[in-house]
Amino acid sequence: DAKTTQPTSMDCAEGRAANLPCNHSTISGNEYVYWYRQIHSQGPQYIIHGLKNNETNEMASLIITEDRKSSTLILPHATLRDTAVYYCIVRAPNQGGKLIFGQGTELSVKP
Amino acid sequence: DADVTQTPRNRITKTGKRIMLECSQTKGHDRMYWYRQDPGLGLQLIYYSFDVKDINKGEISDGYSVSRQAQAKFSLSLESAIPNQTALYFCATSDPGTENTGELFFGEGSRLTVL
Repeated sequence: DAKTTQPTSMDCAEGRAANLPCNHSTISGNEYVYWYRQIHSQGPQYIIHGLKNNETNEMASLIITEDRKSSTLILPHATLRDTAVYYCIVRAPNQGGKLIFGQGTELSVKP
Repeated sequence: DADVTQTPRNRITKTGKRIMLECSQTKGHDRMYWYRQDPGLGLQLIYYSFDVKDINKGEISDGYSVSRQAQAKFSLSLESAIPNQTALYFCATSDPGTENTGELFFGEGSRLTVL
């Protein structure tokens, strides 16, 4: 699976959009990009995933560059409850659900 | 009630003791996983099971064993605990029908301290 690079930490003002970058320059054509978050020692929570096209759901938007070498997770209106560690994961299909987590980005949403 | 339940939630034990962490799920998923998380780090896969008769090693299986007693139950054992196995342990499940979504459902974690 392709390796990902994320900033260690980021701050965001409450109510503003949080844009979390992820670099995956060695991604292969069949590998998906997944985002999870973990709120203070709780079990990680699935957010969104994508292959080529941008995706949006009730939690966030995922923007994948045309060359697929990087992506950005967008939380459109961050709240204090969005403070968490966000993991960007790249994985090929047919891996039986296995995910390899890196160290992620610690997002702090401030009042 | 939680869909993925881990017991115990917290455990303190001594070096050399045998410890079992249990996981049960009500989601009806075939696939179950055990992950370990050390402070400030991401999760590492210990073992995973695709069905009752299937057990596979993950990234860091040394020092651990697992048992899949039923579709809904997956236990992690430390035969002889050592201090560097002090960590937060997570159980997770997934549905093979949604494999491409990469969606895992995690329990709340079991915090293990080995003195």
